[in-house]
Amino acid sequence: KNEVEQSPQNLTAQEGEFITINCSYSVGISALHWLQQHPGGGIVSLFMLSSGKKKHGRLIATINIQEKHSSLHITASHPRDSAVYICAALTSGTYKYIFGTGTRLKVLA
Amino acid sequence: GAVVSQHPSWVICKSGTSVKIECRSLDFQATTMFWYRQFPKQSLMLMATSNEGSKATYEQGVEKDKFLINHASLTLSTLTVTSAHPEDSSFYICSARDGGAGGPYNEQFFGPGTRLTVL
Repeated sequence: KNEVEQSPQNLTAQEGEFITINCSYSVGISALHWLQQHPGGGIVSLFMLSSGKKKHGRLIATINIQEKHSSLHITASHPRDSAVYICAALTSGTYKYIFGTGTRLKVLA
Repeated sequence: GAVVSQHPSWVICKSGTSVKIECRSLDFQATTMFWYRQFPKQSLMLMATSNEGSKATYEQGVEKDKFLINHASLTLSTLTVTSAHPEDSSFYICSARDGGAGGPYNEQFFGPGTRLTVL
């Protein structure tokens, strides 16, 4: 069992739909990072959070430290949101990232 | 957010040659840089942690003589794949952590990656 698990692995949505991607982790963390990787490979940092909730535009990230769970929500999804979304747990102590396997999102027009 | 660049963005080389990949932090000083490798449709795997002015720390299973890392300044780290073979073909990504207050809690910023193909 991976220390950082994401679900779903693949997700296809219609434009405008509300999307949720989940991340569960079993290690102690100092923060959790949500990343976006486009087909070309480049990685964009979306959120880094250690508690509560953060919002940026149509993206919302939440984390529940007690339950060791984080979610990434996309409201009013758009085809340009199509990418791989990766959660990365910044482990406490070593301060290294453990990455989830990613969620491949495709938003259809 | 802060900007990290990588050069080259892609490289094709012959088996047996060495390839150098640069990672630069453009608008902040990075006391620590990380090198990752990513195979198709897989997640990132940490190869090594590089601290400015000291030897890199390699993860288990990563050959330090194969993947030479140099972090000579606060804005530049290099990864040299020596005597490259087709199995070294992969996507290599670096990240850099701001050396400011907060230390290891600071966010890592990722470079755009370098796609290496060894023929």
